[in-house]
Amino acid sequence: DIQMTQSPSSLSASVGDRVTITCQASQDISNYLNWYQQKPGKAPKLLIYDASNLETGVPSRFSGSGSGTDFTFTISSLQPEDIATYYCQQYDNLPPRYTFGQGTKLEIK
Amino acid sequence: QVQLQESGPGLVKPSETLSLTCAVSGYSISSGYYWGWIRQPPGKGLEWIGSIYHSGSTYYNPSLKSRVTISVDTSKNQFSLKLSSVTAADTAVYYCASSPIVGAVDYWGQGTLVTVSS
Repeated sequence: DIQMTQSPSSLSASVGDRVTITCQASQDISNYLNWYQQKPGKAPKLLIYDASNLETGVPSRFSGSGSGTDFTFTISSLQPEDIATYYCQQYDNLPPRYTFGQGTKLEIK
Repeated sequence: QVQLQESGPGLVKPSETLSLTCAVSGYSISSGYYWGWIRQPPGKGLEWIGSIYHSGSTYYNPSLKSRVTISVDTSKNQFSLKLSSVTAADTAVYYCASSPIVGAVDYWGQGTLVTVSS
């Protein structure tokens, strides 16, 4: 089974800061990696799919990069509404299977 | 736009079977897509439970496979989850979810909290 290691588990930053979250896979997963934002009491929301593609309607301050085993999620300029928990998620096609990272709780400093 | 709504008991006794249903609107299940369940214990992360393709092919998390059944009812445009022999560790918010292809989860229900307790 593929394991996903997401770091940090929590992060405190100021409005306007550049924020980076990383996700490492235990084996090569190509670009089969997605990023979600979850606000308290709400379902997760897809932000980035296939490592670097911005979901329609998502602000351009969010971005993703990486391939193989190492991936990065970046918020270029943190906004107050970005306070949430962020999850990476890898997927296998054959057979279909999904694994989430442990999550990163982002707070305003 | 696909919309999903979970329903089912909010309290289940230990050793019993948890049963949830997800009503789908805005799309016909028989037309395609993958339909699945994801759960989140209180204060913890997300765990994929399993998925079903519109054709009926099922795919389960190996750690839950022996206890999980996901099925589709095309006549009611809904799909269901059954998780047997539950314990307190199965207490979680359960989300139904869907996507056109295997990959990113595009659509989520609002989630429903299921507590396992006597």
